[in-house]
Amino acid sequence: DSGVTQTPKHLITATGQRVTLRCSPRSGDLSVYWYQQSLDQGLQFLIQYYNGEERAKGNILERFSAQQFPDLHSELNLSSLELGDSALYFCASSVEGGYEQFFGPGTRLTVL
Amino acid sequence: AQSVTQLDSQVPVFEEAPVELRCNYSSSVSVYLFWYVQYPNQGLQLLLKYLSGSTLVESINGFEAEFNKSQTSFHLRKPSVHISDTAEYFCAVSPLFSGGYNKLIFGAGTRLAVHP
Repeated sequence: DSGVTQTPKHLITATGQRVTLRCSPRSGDLSVYWYQQSLDQGLQFLIQYYNGEERAKGNILERFSAQQFPDLHSELNLSSLELGDSALYFCASSVEGGYEQFFGPGTRLTVL
Repeated sequence: AQSVTQLDSQVPVFEEAPVELRCNYSSSVSVYLFWYVQYPNQGLQLLLKYLSGSTLVESINGFEAEFNKSQTSFHLRKPSVHISDTAEYFCAVSPLFSGGYNKLIFGAGTRLAVHP
C-alpha cells in the first residue's frame, strides 16, 4: 500500500459524458501527478500540481482539466469523453523536491 | 527532451533462471532512473532507483540494476526468478534539476512471464 488513494476504482460511462476522478496523496506529500495508461500510448504524464498550483503539463487534452484543493487532494476532470479516452488513470504523489513518486491503484475508465 | 526504450516487450523465462530486462534512455540533460513494477490488476510500485552514488542499485527482493552513463543504459537483472516475479516492468527517467517539474518519462514496458 503506497498510501495514495484513488476513487472510484472503476468507471463506465458513455461518449460525450463528463467524469471526475479523485486522488488523495500520501500524508505530507505536496506534489500530485496524473498519468494515463493506455494500450496504444503506454504510460503518459498528464499534469503535476504542487501545493495547489499547476507545476507542469504533459500530454493533457484540452477536454481534460485538474485541480488540487487546500487539503491537497486532487481531481482530474474529463469531459466530452471519447472511446479513445478509455484507459487506466493513475495518480502519484511525492514530497517537496522529491523525485520518487508513489502511485495509487488507479481508476479504470471505460467509455462505451 | 527525454525518451526511454525498453528493448523487449515480452520476456519468457523458466523459474530459477536468470533474467535481464533492458532499458536505454536518451536525454540532453542528466537524469534520475527508476524501475517500476506493475503486478496484474494493480498499480505501479517502485522497484529501485538510481539518484547518485554507486551505479549498482539493489532491491529488497533480489533485483539489481546498473547505471551505465556511457551506454545510457539501466538494465534490470535478477539471478534467479520466481513465479511471483511475473509482472510488467517499466523503466523511467526524470530530468535532474528540473525546478520541481518532476515528471516521469516511461518506457513501453516489458512483460516478464515466469514459467514453472
